[in-house]
Order: sequence, then C-alpha cells, then structure tokens
Amino acid sequence: QKEVEQDPGPLSVPEGAIVSLNCTYSNSAFQYFMWYRQYSRKGPELLMYTYSSGNKEDGRFTAQVDKSSKYISLFIRDSQPSDSATYLCAMSTGNKLTFGGGTRVLVKP
Amino acid sequence: DVKVTQSSRYLVKRTGEKVFLECVQDMDHENMFWYRQDPGLGLRLIYFSYDVKMKEKGDIPEGYSVSREKKERFSLILESASTNQTSMYLCASSWGDRGDYGYTFGSGTRLTVV
Repeated sequence: QKEVEQDPGPLSVPEGAIVSLNCTYSNSAFQYFMWYRQYSRKGPELLMYTYSSGNKEDGRFTAQVDKSSKYISLFIRDSQPSDSATYLCAMSTGNKLTFGGGTRVLVKP
Repeated sequence: DVKVTQSSRYLVKRTGEKVFLECVQDMDHENMFWYRQDPGLGLRLIYFSYDVKMKEKGDIPEGYSVSREKKERFSLILESASTNQTSMYLCASSWGDRGDYGYTFGSGTRLTVV
C-alpha cells in the first residue's frame, strides 16, 4: 500500500465548475501538506501548503486538511481552461516530501 | 525570479553510456533532490543532499549516483544507462529543515535510452 493515495483521473469539468481533488495517507507523522500543479512537459510548481488541520484559502484555491481522517483536499472555484494540469499532493514529516501520483484535470471551455 | 535549472530538456543516449544530468539552483538552498517521474508511478526519489559533499539514498538509488561539490550544483549520474532508465528526471531544491517551505522544481530532463 502506498503511503499517499491519489486518484489519477482524468477529471473533466466544464469551465466555471468547482474542481474537487483529494488524497488519503497512512503515515500519521506527516505534518506538512502541499499541493503542486504540473503543466505538460514542465516541472511541478508549489500551489498551496498547510501545516495544521483546517482550511486555507488563496484566491480561487482552498486547501483542507483533516488529520483525524488522514485526508486532504484541494478545491478550485470558477475553474478556467488554464487550470488544466496535473495536480499532485505532497506531504512530509520534515524536509523530504512524499508525493501522490497526481490527478489529471481537464477544464473544458 | 528564483530558479532551478536543468541543463538539458531532452536527451537521447545509448545503452551502456555514462550519463550526466546537471542541476543548478540560484536560491542558496541547502537541500537538493533528484526524482524520476513515470506514468502510473508518480514521483520517486532517487537521491538527495542536505549539504555540500553529502548525499543520501532515496527510494530507488540503484543504477544511479550523485555528486554535490558546490552548494548550487547537484549532478545525477547514470553509471551505465539502461532502457528502463528512460524517464522524466526532475531536480528540486529547498532550504532549511522545515518542509512547509516546499520544493522548487526544475523543468525536467526527458531522457530516452535506446
């Protein structure tokens, strides 16, 4: 069993819809939680990070962490075609990250 | 704009060749990492380094070695390239001992071994 599980998708939504992404994990020692966005043929870029359980909002993006359920989520409101990418969750106990496999998202105009 | 620069975007090498992948960061980061990314397998850590001349094995170090002679440069070496090392290779860096600062990734090197 992988430490971090993420549905590979693809997840296809119409423009303007809410995109909902999630990851589950098994290591209760994970303290830091991140979401990366990766466009085709590019390296991942850090989108959001959280430390504790709860919600964090940044523009159209909201990250949620539920440590009791070992579950994290990313929501993208008012999705745009430019949001089409692969989204990777990542988590760590310190400075070494463990990544989920990534979810491919397609936002159709 | 801070950057992690990987020397090549695309490489084609022959089986048995010794291959060098170079990575340079301009952020004065202590930590540097090499990953490979394959469809269905995600990102897998090959080697990482917390300081100059220091290196630690990741999850899949077999067939690879690394070198970090200067803080800003971290090289990945494929001692004798094989076809199963065809992959996207990603270099990343971070600073400090707190994971919440996240990693900065390079754009990747797509290596094909024929």
